[in-house]
Amino acid sequence: DQQVKQNSPSLSVQEGRISILNCDYTNSMFDYFLWYKKYPAEGPTFLISISSIKDKNEDGRFTVFLNKSAKHLSLHIVPSQPGDSAVYFCAASATGTASKLTFGTGTRLQVTL
Amino acid sequence: GAGVSQSPSNKVTEKGKDVELRCDPISGHTALYWYRQSLGQGLEFLIYFQGNSAPDKSGLPSDRFSAERTGGSVSTLTIQRTQQEDSAVYLCASSLRWAGGTGELFFGEGSRLTVL
Repeated sequence: DQQVKQNSPSLSVQEGRISILNCDYTNSMFDYFLWYKKYPAEGPTFLISISSIKDKNEDGRFTVFLNKSAKHLSLHIVPSQPGDSAVYFCAASATGTASKLTFGTGTRLQVTL
Repeated sequence: GAGVSQSPSNKVTEKGKDVELRCDPISGHTALYWYRQSLGQGLEFLIYFQGNSAPDKSGLPSDRFSAERTGGSVSTLTIQRTQQEDSAVYLCASSLRWAGGTGELFFGEGSRLTVL
C-alpha cells in the first residue's frame, strides 16, 4: 500500500524553465510534508518542507504547494539549473508517528542545456 | 567527519550468510533511523532509535533483521540468513530530535547490499 505516490518516474526540463514535480498521498493523517533530493551514490538531502497549516512554502528557487483537499503537493523549481538534476523524493509524516517518514518512489529530474 | 558515516559502502554476500551494517551518526544527534531502498522502490522505514527510549522496530520486515545502538551513538543493523530479496541500499539517518521539528534527517551515503 503506497501511501505516498510519485507517479512520474522521470522528468526532463530545459535549463531556465520551470520544473514541477508532483506527489499524491492517501493518508489523511499526514500533516507534514518534505522533499528530499538525492544525487547518485549519495544519501538524500533535505530540500524543503511544509506543514499542513500552510498551502505554500518558498525557499529561493524552490516552492512547495500543498492542496489538502486533493491530497496533493508539488515542488516547483524555477529557474531550473543543470545542478538540479537528481532524484527527488516526496515524504510525509503524521503527528504522533514521530519516528516515521513515508517516502514516495522518487522522480528523476534531468535539466538539459 | 561531520556527516553520517556508514560502512561498508558495498557488500556482496552469499545467500544464507549474516551481514552487519554500521552507522555512525552525527555527534549529538539523539535520533537515528534505518531505511532501505530496493530497486525501483521508495525509501522504506526499518527502525528508529531515540535517546534511551525503546526503539520503534515496526518497519523491520522479518525476525532476521535486528538493530542495536550502543551508547546512544553507533548503530549496527544485522541481517541473518540473508535472502536475495534483502538486496538493497540501506540508509542510515540521524537528527537532533523529532518533536515535530523541521523533519530534517541527515542521511549517510548508504550501504549497498547484494545477496547472490
